[in-house]
Amino acid sequence: GNSVTQMEGPVTLSEEAFLTINCTYTATGYPSLFWYVQYPGEGLQLLLKATKADDKGSNKGFEATYRKETTSFHLEKGSVQVSDSAVYFCALSDPMNRDDKIIFGKGTRLHILP
Amino acid sequence: DTGVSQDPRHKITKRGQNVTFRCDPISEHNRLYWYRQTLGQGPEFLTYFQNEAQLEKSRLLSDRFSAERPKGSFSTLEIQRTEQGDSAMYLCASSPTRGNEKLFFGSGTQLSVL
Repeated sequence: GNSVTQMEGPVTLSEEAFLTINCTYTATGYPSLFWYVQYPGEGLQLLLKATKADDKGSNKGFEATYRKETTSFHLEKGSVQVSDSAVYFCALSDPMNRDDKIIFGKGTRLHILP
Repeated sequence: DTGVSQDPRHKITKRGQNVTFRCDPISEHNRLYWYRQTLGQGPEFLTYFQNEAQLEKSRLLSDRFSAERPKGSFSTLEIQRTEQGDSAMYLCASSPTRGNEKLFFGSGTQLSVL
């Protein structure tokens, strides 16, 4: 079945550090890939997405590239800010399924120190 | 657009009691999803509706769980004879149509079963 594996947290970085959160997936078809973010006290929200191989999703300085050969979708940011502290979820959906159901990883908590 | 709202935000109940949660999706969103999230885990799919029709239920949804969306607008999730293992955050999400994979999440209902 389809699944997502992401690096365990928490990840603690200083402000302006480079961020990578690893994510790999298992899928029978050609999934769409997502990063969702959950800020403290708020609901999950879509951060970025990519729908086919070699696509790069980007938003708020975050980027992730859909790598079919390594089944990966690692999240990166060149210079993190304190306001980026949150829980990040890698996720996928199979466009062949009519329900557009999204399958999430376990999440990675990110702490940014000033 | 007022976003997806869920009520209540928190619910504390004794084992064996019944509880009901409500979700109001973004107006005119056809699709509505229920997820469950436990501590340290990503959201797990429970069920989804296309308008008023419940089209899929996860095996996680035991017979004690029932969800409705009677007029294709708001939805309720009821848990009968609650157990301590039901303690979790229950998340509702909506999306406008098939093929739009962006889900809009509510802030969730935190259930604690004592």
